[in-house]
Amino acid sequence: AQSVTQLGSHVSVSEGALVLLRCNYSSSVPPYLFWYVQYPNQGLQLLLKYTTGATLVKGINGFEAEFKKSETSFHLTKPSAHMSDAAEYFCAVSPSGTSGSRLTFGEGTQLTVNP
Amino acid sequence: DGGITQSPKYLFRKEGQNVTLSCEQNLNHDAMYWYRQDPGQGLRLIYYSQIVNDFQKGDIAEGYSVSREKKESFPLTVTSAQKNPTAFYLCATHGWQGEGEQFFGPGTRLTVL
Repeated sequence: AQSVTQLGSHVSVSEGALVLLRCNYSSSVPPYLFWYVQYPNQGLQLLLKYTTGATLVKGINGFEAEFKKSETSFHLTKPSAHMSDAAEYFCAVSPSGTSGSRLTFGEGTQLTVNP
Repeated sequence: DGGITQSPKYLFRKEGQNVTLSCEQNLNHDAMYWYRQDPGQGLRLIYYSQIVNDFQKGDIAEGYSVSREKKESFPLTVTSAQKNPTAFYLCATHGWQGEGEQFFGPGTRLTVL
């Protein structure tokens, strides 16, 4: 069984400040991990993914995330927030080696960027 | 232009009526999924299909039905048995050549009047 916990349903930062969105997972097998972004009334867009190899993964729009097995975490960061980053962010997990399996999503974190 | 289309974007329904949401894809993906999204609850899986003419219940299938007669299409019917159908519905697809990621359509917002 898998689960995802996103700490903080709402995060607020100032423009230009560091963005840190937290994601912890539980999985009985090595996981594939994903971050998605959703703008209002739109579908989800893949930001980045971890499958195997390098634990620091870079995605679109300047975001990156680090897979830390010992901490069962996959936190999303961006060095400098932009107003256009305001959106809802979802962390998701699936068991590795079974690329057709279903994803388990966290409950989402709403990011607000203040001018 | 490859992608996933969902129609309509907004849908209004009277209580007691069945309504069908459309999801079409031209990505040649085998697997398709339907999610329901409510504020503060993330995405919950309704039904999924990994191959034509086959589908499985997700976590909240009660009050919903689906069909998968073509690879490109996976319509979702919200029946009158669904007690609280007002929500944002998202369709997603997955290709076996990928690494588990799903691709999402733009969504349909259903409101029951």
